Amino acid sequence: AQKITQTQPGMFVQEKEAVTLDCTYDTSDPSYGLFWYKQPSSGEMIFLIYQGSYDQQNATEGRYSLNFQKARKSANLVISASQLGDSAMYFCAMRDNQGGSEKLVFGKGTKLTVNP
Amino acid sequence: EAGVTQFPSHSVIEKGQTVTLRCDPISGHDNLYWYRRVMGKEIKFLLHFVKESKQDESGMPNNRFLAERTGGTYSTLKVQPAELEDSGVYFCASSRLTSGRGIGDGEQFFGPGTRLTVL
Repeated sequence: AQKITQTQPGMFVQEKEAVTLDCTYDTSDPSYGLFWYKQPSSGEMIFLIYQGSYDQQNATEGRYSLNFQKARKSANLVISASQLGDSAMYFCAMRDNQGGSEKLVFGKGTKLTVNP
Repeated sequence: EAGVTQFPSHSVIEKGQTVTLRCDPISGHDNLYWYRRVMGKEIKFLLHFVKESKQDESGMPNNRFLAERTGGTYSTLKVQPAELEDSGVYFCASSRLTSGRGIGDGEQFFGPGTRLTVL
């Protein structure tokens, strides 16, 4: 079964600094997709970035980048130049294709607090 | 383009009562998913519709949960009778059918969730 592990329940970072949120995964599928979502206090889940298992380069989206290390089965999210609005829960997820549903399997999340 | 909407945003009911949650996906999205997050735990998959058909309901916890998607548009999730352990946030997500061609295909767009509290 696929599994996502986020070992950091909470992280703190100073405004304008970079922060790395850890994510490791476990799967036997050779083809998979990894996602990061942000959940601010308002509750909605916001898609941030996607990495496919066969992508040659690490994904980047603005201030977000994904440090994808396939051999280590890790997909850490790097946020550069943190802003106060980045304070939120962050979830790492993997697409699970079993049953033909492409459902997402999530980690427990990391609560990021950006300090002024 | 309107996003995924969910109603109600909050619901507080007593054990044994019935509650119905509603999800309106993004127009044109054939895939509709229900997920649940119990306090302090992972967000867990409940079930997946493709149009009006249930593609995968392996995550439904028991037969007290009934999901429908009549006409392949909005979906409802009914809990009857509700138990204390059903408390949590219920998310709905929708996506286009995957074409398998590019990044973002099949990306799931989430609604704001319904916070259910069973007393």
